[in-house]
Amino acid sequence: DIQMTQSPSSLSASAGDRVTITCRASQGISNYLAWFQQKPGKAPKSLIYAASSLQSGVPSKFSGSGSGTDFTLTISSLQPEDFATYYCQQYYSPPFTFGPGTKVDIK
Amino acid sequence: EVQLVESGGGLIQPGGSLRLSCAASGFTVSSKYMSWVRQAPGKGLEWVSIIYTGGSTYYADSVKGRFTISRDNSKNMLYLQMNSLRAEDTAVYYCAAGIQLDYWGQGILVTVSS
Repeated sequence: DIQMTQSPSSLSASAGDRVTITCRASQGISNYLAWFQQKPGKAPKSLIYAASSLQSGVPSKFSGSGSGTDFTLTISSLQPEDFATYYCQQYYSPPFTFGPGTKVDIK
Repeated sequence: EVQLVESGGGLIQPGGSLRLSCAASGFTVSSKYMSWVRQAPGKGLEWVSIIYTGGSTYYADSVKGRFTISRDNSKNMLYLQMNSLRAEDTAVYYCAAGIQLDYWGQGILVTVSS
């Protein structure tokens, strides 16, 4: 099975900050990587698929990059509504594992 | 508009069975890869199972042999039959559409406890 790791596990940032979250796969997954945002008590929301493609309706301040084993999610200018937990997930080979999540909170 | 609505959750004793349902609208379940994802209280997301458009199914090791995913194209429904339930299966269960999990339901709580 493919293992997914994320770093950091949590971070504190201020509104307006640029934030980068890293996701690493235990083996190559090409670009079969998605990112999700989850707020407390809510269902996850898809942000990015195919490592760098933005879902419809997702603001362009979110961007993704990477291929193979190393991926990043960047939020260019953090806003209050962006404070949440972010997960990566590989869909290269089942079981389609998630990373453990990165919690972004207010400094 | 795509919508997914889960039902069938609740409190069940260890060793018991439960069937979750997911009603889809705005698309046909037969046209998309359909998945179940769960989240234990205070924990991260855990992928559970997927059914491909062609009917192939896959499971997480933690549920293999106990859970069965299926769909009813005529009713546009997705199901998760859960048998031999354990305390560690306690979670909010989400159904999701698309190989990239583009759309999610609101989730349904399953509590396994005596």
